Amino acid sequence: QSVLTQPPSASGTPGQRVIISCSGRSSDLGTNTVNWYQQFPGTAPKLLIYSNSQRPSGVPDRFSGSKSGTTASLAINGLQSEDEADYYCSTWDDDLLGVFGGGTKLTVL
Amino acid sequence: QVQLQESGPGMVKPSETLSLSCRVSGESIGDSVFYWGWIRQPPGKGLEWIASINKSGSTYYNPSLKSRVTLSVDTSKDQFSLTLTSVTAADTAVYYCARLTIFAVIRIWGQGALVTVSS
Repeated sequence: QSVLTQPPSASGTPGQRVIISCSGRSSDLGTNTVNWYQQFPGTAPKLLIYSNSQRPSGVPDRFSGSKSGTTASLAINGLQSEDEADYYCSTWDDDLLGVFGGGTKLTVL
Repeated sequence: QVQLQESGPGMVKPSETLSLSCRVSGESIGDSVFYWGWIRQPPGKGLEWIASINKSGSTYYNPSLKSRVTLSVDTSKDQFSLTLTSVTAADTAVYYCARLTIFAVIRIWGQGALVTVSS
């Protein structure tokens, strides 16, 4: 059982806005920033968002992140077929150990 | 460009010890401000944080695995290693090594090494 809670699946049609949520506890998300990773089958995850809302170089601005209290969200605007992937939220806990959400499989209909 | 490469056996027998190494290129662990860690992913499942270590050898272990896991770092070889004892089928996974910040930001991942526990 993952420390952070994500919906197992999400879907949308091309052009739509999709939001993936991630909920945690006061000792992890409630205190620390959230990072998001995108993973395609058979490949290593890729950093998508860090420090709640920062995008690494090369990540399209269609992807955005936010956090309020113990809940974080990843928003994808103008959904594209190539966004179909698994998405994981992550933070760290009081023991400086990383924790992940269970992952959300995004399907582009 | 920093790159990580996992190496180790692709199959381990139940009750035996899993050992993986991660070679770092493009950066010296001894000069690095980053942490180095291991994450695994069972087939068809999500990511699980195993442990992390810094150049000084300070380690942070997942409580659920702590009794079986040991991390070590060899700055002279720019390499860090994972040892997992008493493995079972539940330890079958792709094991990723990673470079991370104290805030669990992972920009650099290894390609992953599939380890199957089977007799």
